[in-house]
Amino acid sequence: DQQVKQNSPSLSVQEGRISILNCDYTNSMFDYFLWYKKYPAEGPTFMISISSIKDKNEDGRFTVFLNKSAKHLSLHIVPSQPGDSAVYFCAALGGFKTIFGAGTRLFVKA
Amino acid sequence: DSGVTQTPKHLITATGQRVTLRCSPRSGDLSVYWYQQSLDQGLQFLIQYYNGEERAKGNILERFSAQQFPDLHSELNLSSLELGDSALYFCASSFGQEYNEQFFGPGTRLTVL
Repeated sequence: DQQVKQNSPSLSVQEGRISILNCDYTNSMFDYFLWYKKYPAEGPTFMISISSIKDKNEDGRFTVFLNKSAKHLSLHIVPSQPGDSAVYFCAALGGFKTIFGAGTRLFVKA
Repeated sequence: DSGVTQTPKHLITATGQRVTLRCSPRSGDLSVYWYQQSLDQGLQFLIQYYNGEERAKGNILERFSAQQFPDLHSELNLSSLELGDSALYFCASSFGQEYNEQFFGPGTRLTVL
């Protein structure tokens, strides 16, 4: 039972363009969401979070959007840089549980 | 460097054996979380401890157990190991019990032969 889904296993984007990573969830008890970036041979690194009382949170080049009615969140990276190439995981929190999606591998081409 | 340390970095063992993975959280963090990442899979939440007490349980097998000690370091014990237990095991820590960003360690790669 996948409560958090990242339906795109990979995404390829040209340097300087926008990267949009998507995440869907099924459980209404989730009320806090995070995005993590993971490089090979390292643990995930926290990037940005959003509470369910907001619909947008920005931090520099990174913006997370939350659509509660659609149970959908997205991470926008603009402009994309080659160093952004990594696996991105979304995570949903609620009821003391943290559920991660399967990840999306982002390739940013120079 | 997240400030979370995990030992050992790699572990190779045989089926049926028992291993212990160790995690030291960031200074000041009270929660420790354990996750399993199998090949090309997402992170599966196993268990959370907060200030020495179990706080939440995920898909943790009965063959696995964990504890958090008074100095807040944590150990994950895996017993009667099977080939399918081969995975990366991550520990994370956070200050609070919930709604906190979690800081991850570098992981322990377990290979069961």
